[in-house]
Amino acid sequence: SYVLTQPPSVSLAPGQTARISCGGDNIGNKGVHWYQQKPGQAPVLVVYMDSDRPSGIPERFSGSNSGNTATLTIFRVEAGDEADYYCQVWDSSSDRVVFGGGTKLTVL
Amino acid sequence: QITLKESGPALVKPTQTLTLTCTFSGFSLTTSGVRVGWIRQPPGKALEWLSLINWDDDKHYSPSLRSRLTITKDTSKNEVLLTMTNVDPVDTATYFCAHSYRGYWIDYWGQGTLVTVSS
Repeated sequence: SYVLTQPPSVSLAPGQTARISCGGDNIGNKGVHWYQQKPGQAPVLVVYMDSDRPSGIPERFSGSNSGNTATLTIFRVEAGDEADYYCQVWDSSSDRVVFGGGTKLTVL
Repeated sequence: QITLKESGPALVKPTQTLTLTCTFSGFSLTTSGVRVGWIRQPPGKALEWLSLINWDDDKHYSPSLRSRLTITKDTSKNEVLLTMTNVDPVDTATYFCAHSYRGYWIDYWGQGTLVTVSS
């Protein structure tokens, strides 16, 4: 079965650039989507199809995908970006949605 | 605007069958490309995809839970139902329903409903 691997945590200071990775076998051949989830809330889509942003999502959120790794980049991190981030793909070989294990972003 | 809301029992006993309802507005499940799915999240843990149903009634399930899940839609009521049989305490989680259109990314989520499995 298809597996997405994320680092459990990323910590950095305000103003720095956060890069959250999502590893998967030939993930570059799939569309990757990213969600932000704050405590007690439903997830929010921040990037879809590798690098597209829904309306209302700041340009500071950017995505890329190549080879075996997709990356969510958050420029000029703010305290309000502190949350769990999940990557997601559709695995067409098994017709199922797959989520990564999530990465907790801490803004020091 | 698009909204989804989950409803169902807050407490279920082990071995019982859990039925959750997703009531939505702002879109129709008869529109080509529309999908509604279910995702759960145990307390303090990651998101886990369960199932989705397409506008054309095509259905998909998590392989690990396929034998216990059934997803159906009632387009006249704007509802999607998820049934899970033989629940166990490990099924304790917040259950979310969600909307997708054309692709498989989720653009709208319900608020979630917490289901506790305990005797």
